Amino acid sequence: DAGVIQSPRHEVTEMGQEVTLRCKPISGHDYLFWYRQTMMRGLELLIYFNNNVPIDDSGMPEDRFSAKMPNASFSNLKIQPSEPRDSAVYFCASGTGGSSPLHFGNGTRLTVT
Amino acid sequence: KQEVTQIPAALSVPEGENLVLNCSFTDSAIYNLQWFRQDPGKGLTSLLLIQSSQREQTSGRLNASLDKSSGRSTLYIAASQPGDSATYLCAGLSGSRLTFGEGTQLTVNP
Repeated sequence: DAGVIQSPRHEVTEMGQEVTLRCKPISGHDYLFWYRQTMMRGLELLIYFNNNVPIDDSGMPEDRFSAKMPNASFSNLKIQPSEPRDSAVYFCASGTGGSSPLHFGNGTRLTVT
Repeated sequence: KQEVTQIPAALSVPEGENLVLNCSFTDSAIYNLQWFRQDPGKGLTSLLLIQSSQREQTSGRLNASLDKSSGRSTLYIAASQPGDSATYLCAGLSGSRLTFGEGTQLTVNP
């Protein structure tokens, strides 16, 4: 099992550009979560999906952020337009429900200049 | 809204020492409590998961306890090793939302 796979590992972009972060969850996991980690705010839940359907997107900071899960093996998180305050490490995690642990990818470190 | 707090924020100990990391949460209606380890530049690795009906879980040198009534969990690490150096995070699951503490950065000195 390759685990949760995220790409790219690092992304450096200029303010105003569109950014797309990608995630491949572990096969068979029906929950997928997007988190953002910063020194100031720690780990914050942005959005999560169950069976490819968005369940709770209350953590998505603004309309500039959107996430989709077109099928069980792929999700993306888009930021358009990006701003310097979006700089953070974005993690994707997958799982099978409350009785099982969450599995995290290695994250995408986003820097917006 | 669930809030999770971890104390201390950082801890430095000599190799071989037993240590305890603390986690407190505000919503006692948690479904489970999870402990994770995060190495620099890496994602989080699940260490132990305690269901709300359980009191503790053990894995090797790690033991995690849960006291829902007091809103507290502890992670006990026995005979610490330099390889245990990392940030340890606890997280409480309420509904389908997992809320994380800010972590304890542990350094085990050889």
